[in-house]
Amino acid sequence: KAGVTQTPRYLIKTRGQQVTLSCSPISGHRSVSWYQQTPGQGLQFLFEYFSETQRNKGNFPGRFSGRQFSNSRSEMNVSTLELGDSALYLCASSPEGGNYGYTFGSGTRLTVV
Amino acid sequence: GQQLNQSPQSMFIQEGEDVSMNCTSSSIFNTWLWYKQDPGEGPVLLIALYKAGELTSNGRLTAQFGITRKDSFLNISASIPSDVGIYFCAGQFAGGTSYGKLTFGQGTILTVHP
Repeated sequence: KAGVTQTPRYLIKTRGQQVTLSCSPISGHRSVSWYQQTPGQGLQFLFEYFSETQRNKGNFPGRFSGRQFSNSRSEMNVSTLELGDSALYLCASSPEGGNYGYTFGSGTRLTVV
Repeated sequence: GQQLNQSPQSMFIQEGEDVSMNCTSSSIFNTWLWYKQDPGEGPVLLIALYKAGELTSNGRLTAQFGITRKDSFLNISASIPSDVGIYFCAGQFAGGTSYGKLTFGQGTILTVHP
């Protein structure tokens, strides 16, 4: 069974640009969550999607957005990039998004210069 | 910000020693999870706990869901060099606002000397 796949693995962008990250969940998993990991703030929840609907959202500015497609694949977008957006972005999938263990992908390392 | 207090922040141990780390929260969680993260990779689920008082093992790893539902610990017995990494606890609330949302501890960096 393939795991959670995130692309690309590494990305370098310039301040002010926008970026789109992709996540393919484990087959059959319908819930996809996104997290930002930085040395200072640790792992922080961005948002969760289930059946193409955002069900939950963390405390991030509106520049961070996402969507989910009918095949459960998800994308997150960050617009008007700032230096502080440099981080490891992780997605996690679970069958329903309830109280079950979540499987994480390897992440996308975003560097903003 | 994070609501979980994980300790210790780092540990330096000799191969073969036992390790213990714990997490405490000001809030009650319905689920406690323990993850291990290697450099450049995503966290890997080690143990999931779903009931207060539950004690679960996975090989040399043992974790418990505290009776108050506000704490959890993870023990690693007879450590080996491949145990090196960062260990995170994570809690999840019940209910709709918890969908997909895990609250993570700050992590425990484990170093094992051969």
